[in-house]
Order: sequence, then structure tokens, then C-alpha cells
Amino acid sequence: EAGVAQSPRYKIIEKRQSVAFWCNPISGHATLYWYQQILGQGPKLLIQFQNNGVVDDSQLPKDRFSAERLKGVDSTLKIQPAKLEDSAVYLCASSLDWYSPLHFGNGTRLTVT
Amino acid sequence: AQTVTQSQPEMSVQEAETVTLSCTYDTSESNYYLFWYKQPPSRQMILVIRQEAYKQQNATENRFSVNFQKAAKSFSLKISDSQLGDTAMYFCAFMKQRGNAGNMLTFGGGTRLMVKP
Repeated sequence: EAGVAQSPRYKIIEKRQSVAFWCNPISGHATLYWYQQILGQGPKLLIQFQNNGVVDDSQLPKDRFSAERLKGVDSTLKIQPAKLEDSAVYLCASSLDWYSPLHFGNGTRLTVT
Repeated sequence: AQTVTQSQPEMSVQEAETVTLSCTYDTSESNYYLFWYKQPPSRQMILVIRQEAYKQQNATENRFSVNFQKAAKSFSLKISDSQLGDTAMYFCAFMKQRGNAGNMLTFGGGTRLMVKP
């Protein structure tokens, strides 16, 4: 089966600019996650979708981050405006349902200058 | 809130030898899952092994095995016959289930493992 697809692979922007990341989960996976991984740390959950509904966004900085999952398939994570501390790898993951193992994509490395 | 602690930031091992990575966690839950993920330079998180808390038997997966001590809240990973391809970051993770609210996966800070030829 095809894995979780993410794009772009790398992105460099200046602070106060906006950026968007895209994720295509494994076909049929109902649950989709966005994680933020700051260099030298473990991933931290930003938001979790079940189909196209939000299950958990308690750690999403909602003043600048937003995410949507169109038609319960693809998802987009946006940052506007970006700050220096947003520099990180953004990982997307999906699972068949909420109690199944997670499958991760290769992530997007964001550098904010 | 759950916390996961990996006390070894970096470790190294000679090829073909055995290495053990440590992980401790803190939770008041009785039913949960524990995982070890591997993250090579490609950045993709790859599931290495999974342990259900209600199972007393330690999980094994080929050269990978765990030592799960529920009372001590300890979950170490043993890699036998280390190979160069095992070089990567290793993350311990805890998952509790929240019913219809889905699961929540909490990661430790990671251990960088280098396998030397």
C-alpha cells in the first residue's frame, strides 16, 4: 500500500510570512494526525481528525495555526504568521481508526528566518 | 498528563553486539499501550515494537525485544545483533485510549543510537 504522502519536503520562509503543508493519508484511514517535532525533541501532537471532524486540537496554537481535512481525506496545516520558534519538522500520520497503529509520512522541515 | 522519559540522549554499540535503550513513563492509567519508534535520517517514524499494558509477556519482533516492568513503569528496548541500519533516533511512546475521543500518543525525547562497524 502507498504510504502517507506529505509536501513540500522542505520550506524556508521569513518570519511573519505564511506557509501551508499538505498531507495525503493512506487510503481508507479515518484518523489523521499532525505532529510538530522541534529539533532534538520528540513529536508533539498538534491536531487529530477523525474523518473530517476534529477530535483533539488542545495543543494547536490557534492564533496562528489552522488545519482542515477536506472530505475526510487530504489535510492542510497552515501557519500565519510564522514565528522563529515554529522552525521544526511537521509530521503527518494516519491510522485505520483511533485504536490502530499510526503510519507516519516523511515530514516537512520548516525553517523560519 | 502522561510523561515519557528517555534518560540516554545518545548511545553507541558495535555491530553485532547487543544494546538496551531505557524508557520510563508516568501515568495513572491501567490500560494503555507502549511503543518504540525508529526515526532514520529520512525522518519517517517507523514502528519497531508495541506492547499492550494488560499483557505480562514481553513483546518481541525479530532482533527487537522489550522488558516491560509495569509496576516500575519501565519499558526498555533491547536490540540484539545490532546492524548498521539500526543507526537512528529511537523514541519511546505512550498511548492511552480516550474512548470516542480517540487515542493520544505521547513521545519521549528520543535516544540517538549509532551502530559502529
